[in-house]
Amino acid sequence: GAGVSQSPSNKVTEKGKDVELRCDPISGHTALYWYRQSLGQGLEFLIYFQGNSAPDKSGLPSDRFSAERTGGSVSTLTIQRTQQEDSAVYLCASSLVAGDYYGYTFGSGTRLTVV
Amino acid sequence: KQEVTQIPAALSVPEGENLVLNCSFTDSAIYNLQWFRQDPGKGLTSLLLIQSSQREQTSGRLNASLDKSSGRSTLYIAASQPGDSATYLCALHNTDKLIFGTGTRLQVFP
Repeated sequence: GAGVSQSPSNKVTEKGKDVELRCDPISGHTALYWYRQSLGQGLEFLIYFQGNSAPDKSGLPSDRFSAERTGGSVSTLTIQRTQQEDSAVYLCASSLVAGDYYGYTFGSGTRLTVV
Repeated sequence: KQEVTQIPAALSVPEGENLVLNCSFTDSAIYNLQWFRQDPGKGLTSLLLIQSSQREQTSGRLNASLDKSSGRSTLYIAASQPGDSATYLCALHNTDKLIFGTGTRLQVFP
């Protein structure tokens, strides 16, 4: 596609429920990144994919968080047993390759609210 | 560990002023540096990308410079407009991911 697409744009869920966030990167981009932006906080790296593998998942805050990528394209970030502190905007970005010389393109994000 | 700091944290100016936003980092072993803007409730829009071998980039009223030896980058906004109001983020390309600064929240009033 022309840009990075994320869905849903907004998600309200009850504490304890599981949620799935989706990211559709730019066609042909092999690297995909997930970031989190909590209210009043900076952008926090979560995980990145090169193809379908995740060389760096060091930013995942707990084992309730997981992500996968299939077909070198769409990625899903799953949060199990959501907590209120998970409320944040989750941003996805893609680039031609990891550490791309030409920069990263971000999606509009998914605003997650846990009530 | 790379740390990226932006000064000032917030800035409110009348339109027409020329502005300087600062970004400093602790480890000069970076690849590229990218400036983004973020509008409230929106994602990030790339403004300028400075490759590690370059010292500056320009796009319209925006000019960004990079001095790796001193660990600093500056974003210069000429003749600011109310539409420039947003949060500005610098980000370092560090091997396989971006490391973001703390951001500068800019408000330009008419």
